[in-house]
Amino acid sequence: GESVGLHLPTLSVQEGDNSIINCAYSNSASDYFIWYKQESGKGPQFIIDIRSNMDKRQGQRVTVLLNKTVKHLSLQIAATQPGDSAVYFCAENPPPPGGGNKLTFGTGTQLKVEL
Amino acid sequence: NAGVTQTPKFQVLKTGQSMTLQCAQDMNHEYMSWYRQDPGMGLRLIHYSVGAGITDQGEVPNGYNVSRSTTEDFPLRLLSAAPSQTSVYFCASSRARVNTGELFFGEGSRLTVL
Repeated sequence: GESVGLHLPTLSVQEGDNSIINCAYSNSASDYFIWYKQESGKGPQFIIDIRSNMDKRQGQRVTVLLNKTVKHLSLQIAATQPGDSAVYFCAENPPPPGGGNKLTFGTGTQLKVEL
Repeated sequence: NAGVTQTPKFQVLKTGQSMTLQCAQDMNHEYMSWYRQDPGMGLRLIHYSVGAGITDQGEVPNGYNVSRSTTEDFPLRLLSAAPSQTSVYFCASSRARVNTGELFFGEGSRLTVL
């Protein structure tokens, strides 16, 4: 079946550096992608989304890049702060029948910010 | 607004017991869903609903029932709990389809089945 996966389970960065979290997806027909942040003991929180007709989208300190040729998604966090320490998930929304109103989540990357 | 509220936050069950995880949202969202989160497996969709009176299965529906009698509430029922259902459960909601905007999650319900 289709799946969304992450290249690295844990990423450690120094405070102030930029972080890049990667995600590979396998359904070339997926038309919507989302990044979520999950702090310890809490529910996932929306960060940013991107549609398949775009290759880049920027938010506050975050940028998502979409490369449909190699089915790769990345989340870039500028000037990483201690509050960015969390698990980051990518998710895709494939078209029906596998998608539609369903999101498929990756397994997550733990981002650790070192002071 | 309280957002998405889940109760209870923690629950311990014995094998074979039944229980209901409650989920309520006050954002007038049409779409609601339940996920379970297990270590190393990310979030997996159990059931979802696109509106009152409409429910559908997700990726891992076996052992769980849902109903959507109102827009606000979407309870998840375990009819006969099994140790494999030990997990953290998250309820989520959004305005309409999941690809029209962000999905709002509750704080989670941690369930242990002995």
